[in-house]
Amino acid sequence: GQNIDQPTEMTATEGAIVQINCTYQTSGFNGLFWYQQHAGEAPTFLSYNVLDGLEEKGRFSSFLSRSKGYSYLLLKELQMKDSASYLCALRVDSSASKIIFGSGTRLSIRP
Amino acid sequence: DGGITQSPKYLFRKEGQNVTLSCEQNLNHDAMYWYRQDPGQGLRLIYYSQIVNDFQKGDIAEGYSVSREKKESFPLTVTSAQKNPTAFYLCASSIARQGLQGYTFGSGTRLTVV
Repeated sequence: GQNIDQPTEMTATEGAIVQINCTYQTSGFNGLFWYQQHAGEAPTFLSYNVLDGLEEKGRFSSFLSRSKGYSYLLLKELQMKDSASYLCALRVDSSASKIIFGSGTRLSIRP
Repeated sequence: DGGITQSPKYLFRKEGQNVTLSCEQNLNHDAMYWYRQDPGQGLRLIYYSQIVNDFQKGDIAEGYSVSREKKESFPLTVTSAQKNPTAFYLCASSIARQGLQGYTFGSGTRLTVV
């Protein structure tokens, strides 16, 4: 089976930097995703890591360490619109395309 | 424009009734999925289908049924056997061996039992 752990809630200040951690246990690994979900809306894709290291995309970066079962999402220059839930998700099987989601981290940005 | 459409946006069900949620995509994606999300929770997989006329149970399939008669369509029926159906239901699609983009999601259906 799989297990994905993320903090339930985080708070940060506009203009600052925040790191959202994700740890996982899985028997198979074929990539880790981060999604953003605003309240009442569908998730939207942020990043995908399959190899160790840092992937940078504008204000957002994602890091993966497969040996440690660890990933983080780094958000820089925080804006009020970044208030949302951030979902860590695993693709566990190369022959199937399904993704398993964590419970998500609800990020609140204060002025 | 290509996309994935869920309908209706809001749905009310009386206890004991079956209801069907629609999901249609014109992205030419092979795989389609149904997830359930409860308040403050992550997404839990109900059913998924990687090709037409084939589908597999996810983690919480009891009380639900699906069909995949066309590549574009993957309707979900919430049966009376599902004891706690009130939730936000999300449909998604992807290419069969997904690359960097992961899923494309529909806008969701919020189901409430009255």
